[in-house]
Amino acid sequence: DQQVKQNSPSLSVQEGRISILNCDYTNSMFDYFLWYKKYPAEGPTFLISISSIKDKNEDGRFTVFLNKSAKHLSLHIVPSQPGDSAVYFCAASAGSSNTGKLIFGQGTTLQVKP
Amino acid sequence: DTAVSQTPKYLVTQMGNDKSIKCEQNLGHDTMYWYKQDSKKFLKIMFSYNNKELIINETVPNRFSPKSPDKAHLNLHINSLELGDSAVYFCASSRRLYSSYEQYFGPGTRLTVT
Repeated sequence: DQQVKQNSPSLSVQEGRISILNCDYTNSMFDYFLWYKKYPAEGPTFLISISSIKDKNEDGRFTVFLNKSAKHLSLHIVPSQPGDSAVYFCAASAGSSNTGKLIFGQGTTLQVKP
Repeated sequence: DTAVSQTPKYLVTQMGNDKSIKCEQNLGHDTMYWYKQDSKKFLKIMFSYNNKELIINETVPNRFSPKSPDKAHLNLHINSLELGDSAVYFCASSRRLYSSYEQYFGPGTRLTVT
């Protein structure tokens, strides 16, 4: 049973436009959400996170939106750059368990075309 | 200077063999993790250690045994390798145990069992 789902395996956008990556979850106990970015042959690197007490968190070109009622979060990248081309993983945790355990989605491959 | 390093980067071995993957972090973090990324690209937690104490032990076959000689190292030993063990294994670390602390990933070890 996959508790975190990224239903779009890939996304292609033009440089300068907005990239929107989506993530859905099923476990209502999740209260902390993260996005990781992964280049080929490298490990994932942390991008941005959001606590369930917020509905938006912004860091430069990256904004994460959380809709708790829909159990949905999204990552917006504006403007998109060719260097943003990578695999993006959504992850969630039930913070009250305090174990650091993250549940990852299967990733979305973003391609930003020059 | 690499924050989280893993050796080897690639490992090709035959079924039935025993192999180890080493992980070291120089970030001074308290918590370390092992993840497995399977052929469907899902990243799944296997183990976590906090100050050399086992915290998370997911439903992993007991052929997999983590060893933490000190809090900077978390090695993964696999006995009697099977074809299904072929995957990319990622080590990660975080400053503290809780999920709100960013996890830093190593570059991964691609294990191929033939």
